[in-house]
Amino acid sequence: QITLKESGPTLVKPTQTLTLTCTFSGFSLSTSGVAVGWIRQPPGKALEWLALIYWDDDKRYSPSLKSRLTITKDTSKNQVVLTMTNMDPVDTASYFCAHRIPAAHFDYWGQGTLVTVSS
Amino acid sequence: QSVLTQPPSVSGAPGQRVTISCTGSSSNIGAGYDVHWYQQLPGTAPKLLIYGNSNRPSGVPDRFSGSKSGTSASLAITGLQAEDEADYYCQSYDSSLSAHYVFGTGTKVTVL
Repeated sequence: QITLKESGPTLVKPTQTLTLTCTFSGFSLSTSGVAVGWIRQPPGKALEWLALIYWDDDKRYSPSLKSRLTITKDTSKNQVVLTMTNMDPVDTASYFCAHRIPAAHFDYWGQGTLVTVSS
Repeated sequence: QSVLTQPPSVSGAPGQRVTISCTGSSSNIGAGYDVHWYQQLPGTAPKLLIYGNSNRPSGVPDRFSGSKSGTSASLAITGLQAEDEADYYCQSYDSSLSAHYVFGTGTKVTVL
């Protein structure tokens, strides 16, 4: 079955760069049509889509955060990495990675990881 | 920041029917992009509830149904149960400026 799990720091300081890793199993990111996305959720607030990487290495970013985000994949390790620069307290959120099929919905989600931005 | 608008909350007694609206625009729902719905129980990750406007993944009770018309979509829950108390989010694709995925503002369903 498909599983995803996020990992990374739980606390980062303002202005630092956040690096999160999504390690998955049950599918290959080299299969045509497959993609992995990152979504975040500040405490008590709505979901916000951040970035997506496709099987062919095409990438999409949220327009409002594009300048701060980089998404990459390591197909051999079954991992997707998201980096976000210049972190601010407003970036405090749970960060989820999710599997996306060609129909454009996210059918499997990781458990999420809470990242707090504080000095 | 969300381009899909949902009511903040809806409530109903056990057994009742509730609906959640998701209002978009001509660059997302109105452009023909599918709408998907997720259920998020407290402290957990979102779970796919409806995909492709009206399809239920395996294991989702048929009490949940979705529809889409024009620039809006709706999620209906019939025979409301206590376990349905959760947050619900719609999601679609937006073709404006830089094509991207969008989520709704979220709706808290309370079972009275």
